[in-house]
Amino acid sequence: KQEVTQIPAALSVPEGENLVLNCSFTDSAIYNLQWFRQDPGKGLTSLLLIQSSQREQTSGRLNASLDKSSGRSTLYIAASQPGDSATYLCAVMDSSYKLIFGSGTRLLVRP
Amino acid sequence: NAGVTQTPKFQVLKTGQSMTLQCAQDMNHNSMYWYRQDPGMGLRLIYYSASEGTTDKGEVPNGYNVSRLNKREFSLRLESAAPSQTSVYFCASTSMERTYEQYFGPGTRLTVT
Repeated sequence: KQEVTQIPAALSVPEGENLVLNCSFTDSAIYNLQWFRQDPGKGLTSLLLIQSSQREQTSGRLNASLDKSSGRSTLYIAASQPGDSATYLCAVMDSSYKLIFGSGTRLLVRP
Repeated sequence: NAGVTQTPKFQVLKTGQSMTLQCAQDMNHNSMYWYRQDPGMGLRLIYYSASEGTTDKGEVPNGYNVSRLNKREFSLRLESAAPSQTSVYFCASTSMERTYEQYFGPGTRLTVT
């Protein structure tokens, strides 16, 4: 059974710092991996999607990498801003096209 | 193009009452999903529909039923609500072409007292 783990559960950093969020999964048979952002009381916003054949994707200050063989992904946020404060969720799509989510990392960027 | 829409946004039920959560997508996607999110947790899959006319159980299906009314609409029904079903419910859809990216609705906050 696929399990997705996100470390750390919570993170507090000063503005301007570069940071890395980690995601690990137990079964490497995935179609893709998605990173989402969720603001308090809101829905999910898709940030990056990495296909199983890809190694990384970039969007602005965000860079996500995927190492399928080791079951790991990282989300790198450069030059963090207070507006980046949110919960970041990692999810993998399994062979039945279902998404399995991690519990998320709560990020606080202090001004 | 509204994407994925859900109604209602908020709902309070008494234990034992029933209700249906509605979901619709206008992206011509084949697959649709219902998730629940509890405090401090990620999303867990309740039911999904890979295509019109088919539905399958996810990780936490007990106490729920679904209907794939047509390609656009996928509803979730609680026949006899319980306090354990207090949660935020998200609907999503995926195209089976290209990237299989999943798109989410804004959610329904349900409280069962």
